[in-house]
Amino acid sequence: DTEVTQTPKHLVMGMTNKKSLKCEQHMGHRAMYWYKQKAKKPPELMFVYSYEKLSINESVPSRFSPECPNSSLLNLHLHALQPEDSALYLCASSQEGTGVPSQETQYFGPGTRLLVL
Amino acid sequence: AQKITQTQPGMFVQEKEAVTLDCTYDTSDPSYGLFWYKQPSSGEMIFLIYQGSYDQQNATEGRYSLNFQKARKSANLVISASQLGDSAMYFCAMRDLRGTGRRALTFGSGTRLQVQP
Repeated sequence: DTEVTQTPKHLVMGMTNKKSLKCEQHMGHRAMYWYKQKAKKPPELMFVYSYEKLSINESVPSRFSPECPNSSLLNLHLHALQPEDSALYLCASSQEGTGVPSQETQYFGPGTRLLVL
Repeated sequence: AQKITQTQPGMFVQEKEAVTLDCTYDTSDPSYGLFWYKQPSSGEMIFLIYQGSYDQQNATEGRYSLNFQKARKSANLVISASQLGDSAMYFCAMRDLRGTGRRALTFGSGTRLQVQP
Protein backbone atom coordinates (compact mmCIF):
# COMPACT_ATOMS: atom_id res chain seq x y z
CA ASP A 1 0.00 0.00 0.00
CA THR A 2 1.60 3.26 -1.13
CA GLU A 3 -1.18 5.66 -0.25
CA VAL A 4 -0.75 9.16 1.04
CA THR A 5 -3.98 11.03 1.71
CA GLN A 6 -4.51 14.77 1.80
CA THR A 7 -7.45 16.87 2.92
CA PRO A 8 -9.12 18.96 1.76
CA LYS A 9 -8.88 18.43 -2.00
CA HIS A 10 -9.79 22.05 -2.68
CA LEU A 11 -9.62 25.12 -0.45
CA VAL A 12 -10.63 28.71 -1.04
CA MET A 13 -9.62 31.21 1.61
CA GLY A 14 -9.39 34.92 2.14
CA MET A 15 -6.20 36.70 3.04
CA THR A 16 -7.27 37.07 6.68
CA ASN A 17 -8.35 33.46 7.18
CA LYS A 18 -6.57 30.72 9.09
CA LYS A 19 -6.77 27.23 7.64
CA SER A 20 -4.87 23.95 7.78
CA LEU A 21 -3.90 21.34 5.23
CA LYS A 22 -3.64 17.76 6.44
CA CYS A 23 -1.59 14.81 5.20
CA GLU A 24 -1.62 11.23 6.45
CA GLN A 25 0.30 8.08 5.60
CA HIS A 26 0.22 4.61 7.12
CA MET A 27 3.24 3.13 5.39
CA GLY A 28 5.54 3.47 8.38
CA HIS A 29 7.53 6.17 6.61
CA ARG A 30 9.64 8.39 8.85
CA ALA A 31 10.21 11.28 6.43
CA MET A 32 7.43 13.60 5.28
CA TYR A 33 7.53 16.52 2.90
CA TRP A 34 5.53 19.55 1.80
CA TYR A 35 5.91 20.78 -1.78
CA LYS A 36 4.29 23.78 -3.50
CA GLN A 37 3.51 23.56 -7.21
CA LYS A 38 2.44 26.50 -9.33
CA ALA A 39 0.68 25.89 -12.62
CA LYS A 40 2.91 24.45 -15.36
CA LYS A 41 5.91 24.35 -13.02
CA PRO A 42 7.63 21.51 -11.16
CA PRO A 43 7.06 21.05 -7.44
CA GLU A 44 9.20 23.14 -5.13
CA LEU A 45 10.25 21.82 -1.75
CA MET A 46 8.96 23.72 1.28
CA PHE A 47 9.63 21.56 4.35
CA VAL A 48 11.03 18.17 5.29
CA TYR A 49 10.35 16.32 8.53
CA SER A 50 12.59 13.43 9.50
CA TYR A 51 11.55 11.32 12.50
CA GLU A 52 9.02 14.02 13.37
CA LYS A 53 11.63 16.75 13.53
CA LEU A 54 11.88 19.60 11.03
CA SER A 55 15.06 18.98 9.07
CA ILE A 56 14.68 21.31 6.07
CA ASN A 57 12.91 24.66 5.80
CA GLU A 58 13.45 26.16 2.37
CA SER A 59 13.18 29.76 3.56
CA VAL A 60 9.41 29.58 3.46
CA PRO A 61 7.54 32.68 4.73
CA SER A 62 6.26 32.40 8.28
CA ARG A 63 2.66 32.57 7.11
CA PHE A 64 3.19 28.85 6.39
CA SER A 65 3.68 26.85 9.58
CA PRO A 66 4.30 23.08 9.41
CA GLU A 67 3.53 20.64 12.17
CA CYS A 68 4.21 16.93 12.55
CA PRO A 69 2.08 15.68 15.48
CA ASN A 70 3.16 12.06 15.01
CA SER A 71 4.90 9.83 12.51
CA SER A 72 1.75 9.41 10.39
CA LEU A 73 0.48 12.97 10.24
CA LEU A 74 1.73 16.19 8.73
CA ASN A 75 -0.09 19.50 8.85
CA LEU A 76 0.49 22.81 7.13
CA HIS A 77 -1.08 25.75 8.94
CA LEU A 78 -1.90 28.76 6.79
CA HIS A 79 -2.40 32.31 8.02
CA ALA A 80 -2.55 35.67 6.27
CA LEU A 81 -1.76 34.21 2.87
CA GLN A 82 -1.36 36.24 -0.30
CA PRO A 83 -2.99 35.61 -3.70
CA GLU A 84 0.40 34.49 -5.05
CA ASP A 85 0.29 31.59 -2.59
CA SER A 86 -2.45 30.02 -4.68
CA ALA A 87 -1.04 26.69 -5.85
CA LEU A 88 -1.25 22.92 -5.58
CA TYR A 89 0.22 21.78 -2.26
CA LEU A 90 1.62 18.27 -2.36
CA CYS A 91 2.53 16.10 0.58
CA ALA A 92 4.95 13.18 0.23
CA SER A 93 6.46 10.55 2.46
CA SER A 94 9.37 8.13 2.26
CA GLN A 95 11.30 5.59 4.25
CA GLU A 96 14.35 6.97 5.98
CA GLY A 97 17.69 5.47 6.93
CA THR A 98 17.14 2.08 5.29
CA GLY A 99 20.50 2.08 3.55
CA VAL A 100 18.68 0.89 0.42
CA PRO A 101 18.07 3.94 -1.80
CA SER A 102 15.33 2.34 -3.88
CA GLN A 103 13.33 1.86 -0.69
CA GLU A 104 13.45 5.58 0.04
CA THR A 105 11.31 6.64 -2.92
CA GLN A 106 8.97 9.53 -2.16
CA TYR A 107 5.29 8.78 -2.56
CA PHE A 108 2.94 11.69 -3.08
CA GLY A 109 -0.60 12.42 -2.08
CA PRO A 110 -3.24 13.81 -4.47
CA GLY A 111 -2.60 17.37 -3.36
CA THR A 112 -4.71 20.27 -2.13
CA ARG A 113 -5.58 22.97 -4.64
CA LEU A 114 -5.50 26.25 -2.76
CA LEU A 115 -6.99 29.51 -3.99
CA VAL A 116 -6.34 32.66 -2.00
CA LEU A 117 -8.70 35.52 -2.73
CA ALA B 1 24.27 21.75 -6.81
CA GLN B 2 22.04 19.39 -8.67
CA LYS B 3 20.25 20.27 -11.89
CA ILE B 4 17.78 18.36 -14.03
CA THR B 5 17.04 19.36 -17.64
CA GLN B 6 14.06 18.20 -19.67
CA THR B 7 14.30 19.78 -23.11
CA GLN B 8 10.94 18.59 -24.51
CA PRO B 9 8.10 20.79 -23.23
CA GLY B 10 5.59 18.66 -25.15
CA MET B 11 5.50 15.37 -27.02
CA PHE B 12 2.92 13.60 -29.16
CA VAL B 13 2.77 9.85 -29.72
CA GLN B 14 0.33 7.56 -31.45
CA GLU B 15 -1.43 4.98 -29.34
CA LYS B 16 0.46 1.65 -29.18
CA GLU B 17 3.75 3.24 -30.23
CA ALA B 18 6.83 3.71 -28.03
CA VAL B 19 8.02 7.13 -26.90
CA THR B 20 11.22 8.39 -25.27
CA LEU B 21 11.20 11.32 -22.86
CA ASP B 22 14.59 12.95 -22.41
CA CYS B 23 16.27 13.83 -19.14
CA THR B 24 19.81 15.04 -18.52
CA TYR B 25 21.26 15.86 -15.15
CA ASP B 26 24.20 17.54 -13.59
CA THR B 27 25.66 16.76 -10.20
CA SER B 28 28.99 16.53 -8.45
CA ASP B 29 27.66 13.94 -6.02
CA PRO B 30 29.00 10.41 -6.57
CA SER B 31 25.89 8.74 -5.19
CA TYR B 32 22.48 9.78 -6.45
CA GLY B 33 19.12 8.44 -7.44
CA LEU B 34 17.06 9.30 -10.51
CA PHE B 35 13.28 9.10 -10.51
CA TRP B 36 10.47 9.54 -13.00
CA TYR B 37 7.01 10.67 -11.92
CA LYS B 38 3.78 10.99 -13.87
CA GLN B 39 1.33 13.78 -13.06
CA PRO B 40 -2.12 13.54 -14.66
CA SER B 41 -4.37 16.57 -14.77
CA SER B 42 -5.83 15.49 -11.41
CA GLY B 43 -2.55 16.59 -9.80
CA GLU B 44 -1.24 13.51 -8.05
CA MET B 45 2.43 12.71 -8.62
CA ILE B 46 2.69 9.00 -9.43
CA PHE B 47 6.05 7.28 -9.01
CA LEU B 48 7.04 5.31 -12.10
CA ILE B 49 10.64 4.14 -11.94
CA TYR B 50 13.93 4.53 -10.08
CA GLN B 51 17.58 4.24 -11.14
CA GLY B 52 20.52 4.39 -8.75
CA SER B 53 23.83 5.82 -9.86
CA TYR B 54 25.62 2.59 -9.06
CA ASP B 55 23.05 0.26 -10.58
CA GLN B 56 24.63 -1.83 -13.33
CA GLN B 57 21.44 -2.52 -15.22
CA ASN B 58 18.81 -0.17 -16.60
CA ALA B 59 15.65 -0.16 -14.53
CA THR B 60 12.40 -1.54 -15.92
CA GLU B 61 8.86 -1.49 -14.52
CA GLY B 62 6.23 -2.97 -16.79
CA ARG B 63 5.90 -0.71 -19.85
CA TYR B 64 8.40 1.76 -18.42
CA SER B 65 12.14 1.46 -18.83
CA LEU B 66 14.93 3.85 -18.07
CA ASN B 67 17.77 4.30 -20.55
CA PHE B 68 20.57 5.26 -18.16
CA GLN B 69 23.80 6.53 -19.70
CA LYS B 70 25.97 7.61 -16.80
CA ALA B 71 28.85 9.02 -18.86
CA ARG B 72 26.41 11.23 -20.76
CA LYS B 73 24.49 12.05 -17.58
CA SER B 74 21.21 11.10 -19.16
CA ALA B 75 18.28 9.10 -17.82
CA ASN B 76 15.64 8.91 -20.53
CA LEU B 77 12.25 7.32 -19.88
CA VAL B 78 10.96 4.92 -22.50
CA ILE B 79 7.25 4.10 -22.53
CA SER B 80 6.37 1.15 -24.71
CA ALA B 81 2.96 0.51 -26.26
CA SER B 82 1.53 3.92 -25.33
CA GLN B 83 -2.02 4.07 -24.03
CA LEU B 84 -4.46 6.98 -23.92
CA GLY B 85 -4.14 6.96 -20.14
CA ASP B 86 -0.44 7.78 -20.48
CA SER B 87 -1.34 11.36 -21.42
CA ALA B 88 0.09 13.42 -18.57
CA MET B 89 2.99 15.57 -17.44
CA TYR B 90 6.17 13.60 -16.77
CA PHE B 91 8.86 14.81 -14.39
CA CYS B 92 12.42 13.58 -14.06
CA ALA B 93 13.88 14.08 -10.58
CA MET B 94 17.12 13.50 -8.73
CA ARG B 95 18.04 12.94 -5.13
CA ASP B 96 21.38 12.95 -3.35
CA LEU B 97 21.84 9.57 -1.68
CA ARG B 98 24.77 10.36 0.55
CA GLY B 99 24.10 9.93 4.22
CA THR B 100 24.92 13.55 4.90
CA GLY B 101 23.53 14.88 1.64
CA ARG B 102 20.41 16.87 0.94
CA ARG B 103 17.82 14.16 0.52
CA ALA B 104 14.99 16.10 -1.08
CA LEU B 105 14.07 15.79 -4.75
CA THR B 106 15.21 18.21 -7.46
CA PHE B 107 12.76 18.21 -10.37
CA GLY B 108 13.13 19.00 -14.04
CA SER B 109 10.66 21.31 -15.78
CA GLY B 110 8.58 18.42 -17.09
CA THR B 111 7.40 17.07 -20.44
CA ARG B 112 3.72 17.00 -21.37
CA LEU B 113 2.93 13.82 -23.27
CA GLN B 114 -0.21 13.52 -25.36
CA VAL B 115 -1.19 10.12 -26.70
CA GLN B 116 -3.29 10.27 -29.83
CA PRO B 117 -5.77 7.54 -30.85
